[in-house]
Amino acid sequence: EAGVVQSPRYKIIEKKQPVAFWCNPISGHNTLYWYRQNLGQGPELLIRYENEEAVDDSQLPKDRFSAERLKGVDSTLKIQPAELGDSAVYLCASSLAGYEQYFGPGTRLTVT
Amino acid sequence: KQEVTQIPAALSVPEGENLVLNCSFTDSAIYNLQWFRQDPGKGLTSLLLIQSSQREQTSGRLNASLDKSSGRSTLYIAASQPGDSATYLCAVRSGGSEKLVFGKGTKLTVNP
Repeated sequence: EAGVVQSPRYKIIEKKQPVAFWCNPISGHNTLYWYRQNLGQGPELLIRYENEEAVDDSQLPKDRFSAERLKGVDSTLKIQPAELGDSAVYLCASSLAGYEQYFGPGTRLTVT
Repeated sequence: KQEVTQIPAALSVPEGENLVLNCSFTDSAIYNLQWFRQDPGKGLTSLLLIQSSQREQTSGRLNASLDKSSGRSTLYIAASQPGDSATYLCAVRSGGSEKLVFGKGTKLTVNP
């Protein structure tokens, strides 16, 4: 069974540029999560989807971050414009009905 | 607000030693607790999940215990190997929420 797939694995951009991350969850998993992990810290939830609906986006900085999950499968997370403080690892996870969460390899973003 | 603390932040042991990693949480009304492993530059791998009604879970050389009343969990690793070197993260899911709250992790180094 394929795991959670994320791309790209690494991204380097200049500040004020836009960037997008893509996630494909485990087949059949209806719940999808985006986390951000700063260096030396544990991951923090940005947004959670149940099927197509964003049910918890309270930690998403909505002035510059947006996310979508079309057709309840793949998801994209976008930052526009990026700031230096956005440098982090962005992790996608999925679960079946909110049970055990499975994580992808993450996208390491560096903003210069 | 749930807070998760992991002690120690880093641990270095010789190969073959048994060791214990600690995790504490402030709100005992949890749904479950997960232990993850994270290798440098990689995503999170789920090691063990303990439901709130359980006291422990075992997988191979790993044993995780849960004491809800005291707000503590331990991860016991028997006969450590250099391949166990990684960062170990504890995450708590509170009752009524699907959000995982993570600790900052313990970086383990097993020396040959």
